[in-house]
Amino acid sequence: DVKVTQSSRYLVKRTGEKVFLECVQDMDHENMFWYRQDPGLGLRLIYFSYDVKMKEKGDIPEGYSVSREKKERFSLILESASTNQTSMYLCASSSGGGRDTEQFFGPGTRLTVL
Amino acid sequence: GQQLNQSPQSMFIQEGEDVSMNCTSSSIFNTWLWYKQDPGEGPVLLIALYKAGELTSNGRLTAQFGITRKDSFLNISASIPSDVGIYFCAGPAGGTSYGKLTFGQGTILTVHP
Repeated sequence: DVKVTQSSRYLVKRTGEKVFLECVQDMDHENMFWYRQDPGLGLRLIYFSYDVKMKEKGDIPEGYSVSREKKERFSLILESASTNQTSMYLCASSSGGGRDTEQFFGPGTRLTVL
Repeated sequence: GQQLNQSPQSMFIQEGEDVSMNCTSSSIFNTWLWYKQDPGEGPVLLIALYKAGELTSNGRLTAQFGITRKDSFLNISASIPSDVGIYFCAGPAGGTSYGKLTFGQGTILTVHP
């Protein structure tokens, strides 16, 4: 089974702090994704990566950056956390090729910015 | 961008009842996926559909890929309390793919014992 792990289940940070959210997958997947989930807004794509060091903006990239130095690890960075970034953050991965839309999700990180 | 309209937004049912929900798109999809999200957890892939008209089951869950390629349906038979959660439909996002998905807004299912 695919396993996607996220570094923290719950995180509390202060406004202006730099925040790192880590995601690791163990199935050698090419594609990795970061979403945020807010009530009434569904899942919104922040960034995704289709290969090591390759990244593309999703629908809501402002205020975020990402890093993918190794295939199995995809990091989301909040350069200067703000209260409106309080949310549930979900990481996902998928293989390349014909089944690339079958995304497998981690358990999520609930981030609170005070 | 592409939008998926999922309905109903929420359902309150008694244990043992059957459940139906659907998802419609403004454009044609070649793949439909259904996910379930338990409270406080990440979504889990339930069923993936790749062919128009395809009907696929996973235990008490059955999903269908609509003939028009613009809709999909998920049915749950004989619901139980652990069916509680949010059910999302998803399909490939437009433009450069790399497995990008667009998601419906979700159906919140509550099952009363």
